Amino acid sequence: NAGVTQTPKFQVLKTGQSMTLQCAQDMNHEYMSWYRQDPGMGLRLIHYSVGAGITDQGEVPNGYNVSRSTTEDFPLRLLSAAPSQTSVYFCASSLTGAPGELFFGEGSRLTVL
Amino acid sequence: DAKTTQPPSMDCAEGRAANLPCNHSTISGNEYVYWYRQIHSQGPQYIIHGLKNNETNEMASLIITEDRKSSTLILPHATLRDTAVYYCIVHGAGSYQLTFGKGTKLSVIP
Repeated sequence: NAGVTQTPKFQVLKTGQSMTLQCAQDMNHEYMSWYRQDPGMGLRLIHYSVGAGITDQGEVPNGYNVSRSTTEDFPLRLLSAAPSQTSVYFCASSLTGAPGELFFGEGSRLTVL
Repeated sequence: DAKTTQPPSMDCAEGRAANLPCNHSTISGNEYVYWYRQIHSQGPQYIIHGLKNNETNEMASLIITEDRKSSTLILPHATLRDTAVYYCIVHGAGSYQLTFGKGTKLSVIP
């Protein structure tokens, strides 16, 4: 039982490049979400999903796309990276999400030059 | 979800109890109090949650005041490994947006 797995752990991009942060969970959780964390700040919700085929925006969705084709996977796409997207990204999942105990991945550290 | 207020930092001597306060004066009846912690650079970790009654698990105890406007997380015997940022979050049933504030940075001192 691996929990929540994020890849890659580190990534450097140039402005304008695109990439996908991967998130997978093996706990059969319905709810999955993406957060970003900037220095000295708490976590801010980007997008979330309450089940396969269903996604919704969080607090800071601009510049990011998500999809949920399976229960296990919830990738986060940056279509045209900007320096303001330099951050640490965390994926989290829970059985129901409303409310629920969240299980977090170890994070993906992204730098956009 | 209701907002929370936490002190930005606290110190605690190793082996002593760490008492972390949280104010949530606008909490409504169906909102739970959740506590998470984040050890340096790692993903946040769930600690405990409660609605009205005090709760205890293997990690901590949660004391919620009778009017539910504040709560205290208690780590009974703090160790150096408990040094982390602790987040108090109010989360309503049916709400999918968990809001993390800046939390309290707890430093456990030898």
